[in-house]
Amino acid sequence: DAKTTQPPSMDCAEGRAANLPCNHSTISGNEYVYWYRQIHSQGPQYIIHGLKNNETNEMASLIITEDRKSSTLILPHATLRDTAVYYCIVRVGVVRGSRLTFGEGTQLTVNP
Amino acid sequence: NAGVMQNPRHLVRRRGQEARLRCSPMKGHSHVYWYRQLPEEGLKFMVYLQKENIIDESGMPKERFSAEFPKEGPSILRIQQVVRGDSAAYFCASSRGTGATYEQYFGPGTRLTVT
Repeated sequence: DAKTTQPPSMDCAEGRAANLPCNHSTISGNEYVYWYRQIHSQGPQYIIHGLKNNETNEMASLIITEDRKSSTLILPHATLRDTAVYYCIVRVGVVRGSRLTFGEGTQLTVNP
Repeated sequence: NAGVMQNPRHLVRRRGQEARLRCSPMKGHSHVYWYRQLPEEGLKFMVYLQKENIIDESGMPKERFSAEFPKEGPSILRIQQVVRGDSAAYFCASSRGTGATYEQYFGPGTRLTVT
């Protein structure tokens, strides 16, 4: 599975957009980009995933570059409850793709 | 639609005892995954099961740990003869299908403390 690189921490003002980058320069054609977050010690929460096209749901938007080597998760209007560790994960294949490989993630702190 | 359920939420065991952790997947999900998060560490995959089958157990410790997902009832992660190093949060996830197109949804976790 492709390795991902994320900044260890970021800050964002409440009400502003939070843009979390992820580098996955070794991604291959059949690998999906997934985003999860973990608030304090709770179970990880699925946010969004995509293959090539940009995706949007009620939680966030996922922007994937044309060469697929990097992506950005956008929380359009961050709130204090969005403070969490955000994980960018690349998944591939059938059996192998069934696992999620969590890295260090980005600690996002939303400030009042 | 109820989410993934895990019980107990907190479990305290003395060294040498057995720990049984239960996971009920979301309705309509037949794929279950177990992950472990040691204190101050990241989440690590342990095992992937479908109904009555272990598909991938490459992340499971070789001894004392076992998992099952019977035809009826929840998935069980069993730890025999627990040691202090087993103290961790154990998370279960479920998905509707296999492969990278299917998202996994996580339960709240079971916090195991070995005294």
